Amino acid sequence: DAGITQSPRHKVTETGTPVTLRCHQTENHRYMYWYRQDPGHGLRLIHYSYGVKDTDKGEVSDGYSVSRSKTEDFLLTLESATSSQTSVYFCAISESKPAAYGYTFGSGTRLTVV
Amino acid sequence: GENVEQHPSTLSVQEGDSAVIKCTYSDSASNYFPWYKQELGKRPQLIIDIRSNVGEKKDQRIAVTLNKTAKHFSLHITETQPEDSAVYFCAASMGFQKLVFGTGTRLLVSP
Repeated sequence: DAGITQSPRHKVTETGTPVTLRCHQTENHRYMYWYRQDPGHGLRLIHYSYGVKDTDKGEVSDGYSVSRSKTEDFLLTLESATSSQTSVYFCAISESKPAAYGYTFGSGTRLTVV
Repeated sequence: GENVEQHPSTLSVQEGDSAVIKCTYSDSASNYFPWYKQELGKRPQLIIDIRSNVGEKKDQRIAVTLNKTAKHFSLHITETQPEDSAVYFCAASMGFQKLVFGTGTRLLVSP
């Protein structure tokens, strides 16, 4: 379905623990993104990648890191989870020129930090 | 950086009425404006988009208009149906690599 999968779909973790979310695509698209969705804030960009090992920060990158060692995988790591990082995380992909063709989103990961 | 404002945050209409959602953007270089629909518990999905060289685009009951001078664009849904109930997000391109999203509009269509 849509060639993009996120794992896990749901996760509960404790404050202070590291957490890694995975985004996997089978479309061979160049661009990959991580957004978080919170009530009243819409979708906010955390990090994005424009190629293998090429990543850049978004507007809410503090406390997050990413890695992309293969075209198909984009990992988001919360170094030390905090309650403010409780959110729904969406991965998105774009073939090329995302500003001309938009994104395809994954199904999301609901993360709860207790 | 680019900022996108979206209004209203919630919109309630009766089935068959029209619904209009408005967005404004700040970066005059933005040239691509998609709209996404997100049903409860689902992923956002692209429903229509418009590029800066076009003033209006229609797809059945959905239309989008763009006013580049005023830097605003709108989504119009005619003859609304209960299945149109969802959260709608507008977005604007930032550079050629990213989209900036509005805060969303929750549309409720009552039978």
